[in-house]
Amino acid sequence: DVKVTQSSRYLVKRTGEKVFLECVQDMDHENMFWYRQDPGLGLRLIYFSYDVKMKEKGDIPEGYSVSREKKERFSLILESASTNQTSMYLCASVDGTEAFFGQGTRLTVV
Amino acid sequence: AQKITQTQPGMFVQEKEAVTLDCTYDTSDPSYGLFWYKQPSSGEMIFLIYQGSYDQQNATEGRYSLNFQKARKSANLVISASQLGDSAMYFCAMRGWNYGGSQGNLIFGKGTKLSVKP
Repeated sequence: DVKVTQSSRYLVKRTGEKVFLECVQDMDHENMFWYRQDPGLGLRLIYFSYDVKMKEKGDIPEGYSVSREKKERFSLILESASTNQTSMYLCASVDGTEAFFGQGTRLTVV
Repeated sequence: AQKITQTQPGMFVQEKEAVTLDCTYDTSDPSYGLFWYKQPSSGEMIFLIYQGSYDQQNATEGRYSLNFQKARKSANLVISASQLGDSAMYFCAMRGWNYGGSQGNLIFGKGTKLSVKP
């Protein structure tokens, strides 16, 4: 019973490329979140969305943008990938007492 | 500001024994929810258990239970009868609702690495 799906498990991109990370949920949740996770730094919030076309910046939005055209899909965009964006990216879908994550995307920028 | 603190970077437990992972939180929101997640080496965040701030009883899910002490602002996870497959990172998280009714971010502690010894 898959609830949150991220488009890629592993991704390797070149510096300067535009990168799209997709997240889809099937629970009709209002709220979706994008985090990055780095050793020793824990989970840091990049952006979140509380409705279609609505978004708010998290703690580290620089170098990222997001898109939410449909309720079930929340995309994270790296405008021009850099090596310091090599990380684990986690998408969460949240509503009330439910907060589920996708399987994560390990992005390497070379 | 909201904050989650997990003071144990790493813990060891013998197989079949119980273990408690600590979590304290700070919030000014009148209503909030507390979550625990397990993250194995594969990286996926697996939801374990949820406790609402107004829930009268401690939450339980199988071998997982949450020791919720609201006055002390603590929400410790108890794993009974540890198994080798329980070895993983464990994260405590919180989400609040403010007086205006809007919901906040889902914020996380730094995590505790649990190792189960055979």
